[in-house]
Amino acid sequence: GNSVTQMEGPVTLSEEAFLTINCTYTATGYPSLFWYVQYPGEGLQLLLKATKADDKGSNKGFEATYRKETTSFHLEKGSVQVSDSAVYFCAISPRSWGKLQFGAGTQVVVTP
Amino acid sequence: ETGVTQTPRHLVMGMTNKKSLKCEQHLGHNAMYWYKQSAKKPLELMFVYSLEERVENNSVPSRFSPECPNSSHLFLHLHTLQPEDSALYLCASSPFGVAIYGYTFGSGTRLTVV
Repeated sequence: GNSVTQMEGPVTLSEEAFLTINCTYTATGYPSLFWYVQYPGEGLQLLLKATKADDKGSNKGFEATYRKETTSFHLEKGSVQVSDSAVYFCAISPRSWGKLQFGAGTQVVVTP
Repeated sequence: ETGVTQTPRHLVMGMTNKKSLKCEQHLGHNAMYWYKQSAKKPLELMFVYSLEERVENNSVPSRFSPECPNSSHLFLHLHTLQPEDSALYLCASSPFGVAIYGYTFGSGTRLTVV
């Protein structure tokens, strides 16, 4: 079956540090890949996406590259801010008409 | 504002009450979803509606009753809930072509059952 595995949190780091959140998936075919972010007290927001191998999604300084050979979609940001404190969810869509499958989420805490 | 509006934002209800959660989208999306988000647990998909027809019901207790009267509105009717039902309830919508566009989520309803 399809599945998404994310690194467990919380991830705690200082402002301006480098952030990486690992995400690997299991799926048949060529899924689309997504990162969502959930700020405290809010719903999930689409952060970035990639729909085919080697695509790089980017938004708000975050980047992730679709790595088919390692079935991964790791999220990175070069210099985090306190405002990046949130829960980050990796998700896959195995088929164009299928529903999203979410990882368990990774909480990120950025301290001043 | 995401384009998906959930009301109310917060709800406190007793175990014998009946209440409803409302979700509204005017994005022209064809599918709508209810998720439950509890502390320290993964997102739980509860119901999926596609073109106003329920296409998925993930073993949700009957005290939760969804309704989709049209493609823009989704309700979750609640009755005789238990304290363990306290959670953030999220509504989402998507067009055909989920793999390209993903979901759009509402801000959620924080439900507390006392």
